[in-house]
Amino acid sequence: EAGVTQFPSHSVIEKGQTVTLRCDPISGHDNLYWYRRVMGKEIKFLLHFVKESKQDESGMPNNRFLAERTGGTYSTLKVQPAELEDSGVYFCASSRNYGGVSGNTIYFGEGSWLTVV
Amino acid sequence: DAKTTQPPSMDCAEGRAANLPCNHSTISGNEYVYWYRQIHSQGPQYIIHGLKNNETNEMASLIITEDRKSSTLILPHATLRDTAVYYCIGTYSGNTPLVFGKGTRLSVIA
Repeated sequence: EAGVTQFPSHSVIEKGQTVTLRCDPISGHDNLYWYRRVMGKEIKFLLHFVKESKQDESGMPNNRFLAERTGGTYSTLKVQPAELEDSGVYFCASSRNYGGVSGNTIYFGEGSWLTVV
Repeated sequence: DAKTTQPPSMDCAEGRAANLPCNHSTISGNEYVYWYRQIHSQGPQYIIHGLKNNETNEMASLIITEDRKSSTLILPHATLRDTAVYYCIGTYSGNTPLVFGKGTRLSVIA
């Protein structure tokens, strides 16, 4: 079974440009999450999809960030226009829809490194 | 999510057991304790989780106190590749997003 995959693994863009990050969750996982870690800080939650619906977007920093999950499969996170403080690593994660009593594990991708110069 | 407290750093000799503590005094009865680790800058890796009973898998063991206010992650034979930041996270399972703290930076020393 393939894990969570993210693309690109690294991206360097200039301030003011646009970048789109893509995440393919584990097949069959309804839940998809975006997280971010900026230099020297903790990993922070950005938002949570259940299928194609945004369940929780309380962590999105501002309206320059737009996440979509059309069709409930892969997701994109667009940053437009990018600012210097957006630099960091963006992690995507996924999990099954919880329906049991044994806990529901969330699995992470390897991340997309974004450097804004 | 329950707030957890972990020591900022620990050292462990290669081949010895690494015991990583976590306090979660505010955990409620239906909150799980999850452990993840982040090796260098890779994506967080799931290790183990539990609710009340001790758990063991191929990676580690999780010992949860009877009052569920603390737990210990045990790596039975630490190797250099276990050097990482380890996160203890209390969470209502289901679909709730994880909340990461600062974790414990474990250094395995040859």
